[in-house]
Amino acid sequence: KQEVTQIPAALSVPEGENLVLNCSFTDSAIYNLQWFRQDPGKGLTSLLLIQSSQREQTSGRLNASLDKSSGRSTLYIAASQPGDSATYLCAVSPRNDMRFGAGTRLTVKP
Amino acid sequence: GAGVSQSPSNKVTEKGKDVELRCDPISGHTALYWYRQSLGQGLEFLIYFQGNSAPDKSGLPSDRFSAERTGGSVSTLTIQRTQQEDSAVYLCASSWLSGSSYEQYFGPGTRLTVT
Repeated sequence: KQEVTQIPAALSVPEGENLVLNCSFTDSAIYNLQWFRQDPGKGLTSLLLIQSSQREQTSGRLNASLDKSSGRSTLYIAASQPGDSATYLCAVSPRNDMRFGAGTRLTVKP
Repeated sequence: GAGVSQSPSNKVTEKGKDVELRCDPISGHTALYWYRQSLGQGLEFLIYFQGNSAPDKSGLPSDRFSAERTGGSVSTLTIQRTQQEDSAVYLCASSWLSGSSYEQYFGPGTRLTVT
């Protein structure tokens, strides 16, 4: 059974810092891995999708990496801003569904 | 363009009543998914539709839960005889094709409260 773990559960940093969020999964037989952002009371916003054949994806200040063999992914956020404050969710697609981690709650202090 | 929409955005119901939650996927998306997010817990897969194939119902928590997708577009999630533990945010997502490389796009969710 696929288990997805995200560390840390919560993170607070001052504005301007670079930071890394971690995601690990137990079954490397995945189709893709997706990072989402969830703001309080809102739905999910897709940030980056990494296909199983890819190693990383970049979008603006965000960079996500994927190491299938070790079952790990990282989301790197450069030059963090208060507007980045949200919960970040990692999800893997083993089959028809997606398995989600519990998320990392990020707070960027001005 | 229009994203995934869900209605209602909020629903408060009494224990024992039936509720229907609606999802309008992005036009042309063949795959549709339902998830729920309970307070303090992660997202949980419920059910998946792909084209005209039989749905994958492996995530439905009990036989009180059912879902339909009419005409390959709009989907309705029905919860019969609601219980307090059904209180959660119910999220719908759609994608061009299942699994593989295709991104899932999520709706804003329906917050269900069972009193």
